[in-house]
Amino acid sequence: EVHLVESGGGLVKPGGSLRLSCAASGFTFSDFGMNWVRQAPGKGLEWVSSISSSSTYIYYADSVKGRFTISRDNAKNSLYLQMNSLRVEDTAVYYCARLSGKYCSGGNCPIDYWGQGTLVTVSA
Amino acid sequence: DIQMTQSPSSLSASVGDRVTITCRASQTISNYLNWYQQKPGKAPKLLIYAASSLQSGVPSRFSGSGSGTDFTLTISSLQSEDFATYYCQQSYSNPITFGQGTRLEIK
Repeated sequence: EVHLVESGGGLVKPGGSLRLSCAASGFTFSDFGMNWVRQAPGKGLEWVSSISSSSTYIYYADSVKGRFTISRDNAKNSLYLQMNSLRVEDTAVYYCARLSGKYCSGGNCPIDYWGQGTLVTVSA
Repeated sequence: DIQMTQSPSSLSASVGDRVTITCRASQTISNYLNWYQQKPGKAPKLLIYAASSLQSGVPSRFSGSGSGTDFTLTISSLQSEDFATYYCQQSYSNPITFGQGTRLEIK
């Protein structure tokens, strides 16, 4: 069974940093692209970043470009999101999500598994 | 960026009703359109991919249709467990974008 477990969320002051981790199990992690998707309290879903299976292709939303860095360690079955220069508007639940690998366009695929999410709160 | 617009934003319905939610893309996305269901406090769940393909394990009362810019999600006979928020998402090009969501409530 596929499991994605996020960790690393918490309360941080504006301008601060956090590193989110996602531990994957139940599938061959190195075969799948991964995403981070966030959801601000009471709001909709916002894609944050994508990374291909071998880290060759990496993409960011404009809202986080230059501040966030996605990475993965296939040997450790882990996905990461380094978040720097955090802003109040980055407050959200951050989901680790697996790209299905089916019916993809330009590396984008439906998301077939999601973690339970980790809450990041940016506040003074 | 491709904008995804869902309608309605909220909807009240009863168990057994047939419900349709629409999603419109600001430019053609072929059929790279996916639908997700999200319940409060939970992660989203993939229902439909490629506009009309039912994800494994999803009940057949869910169906999707459309191509190009206009898409629909239909629930043929609402069950109590279907009351949730539904999101469309385009996976045609970066940045991936979601609709604003449709909240389906019990009448």
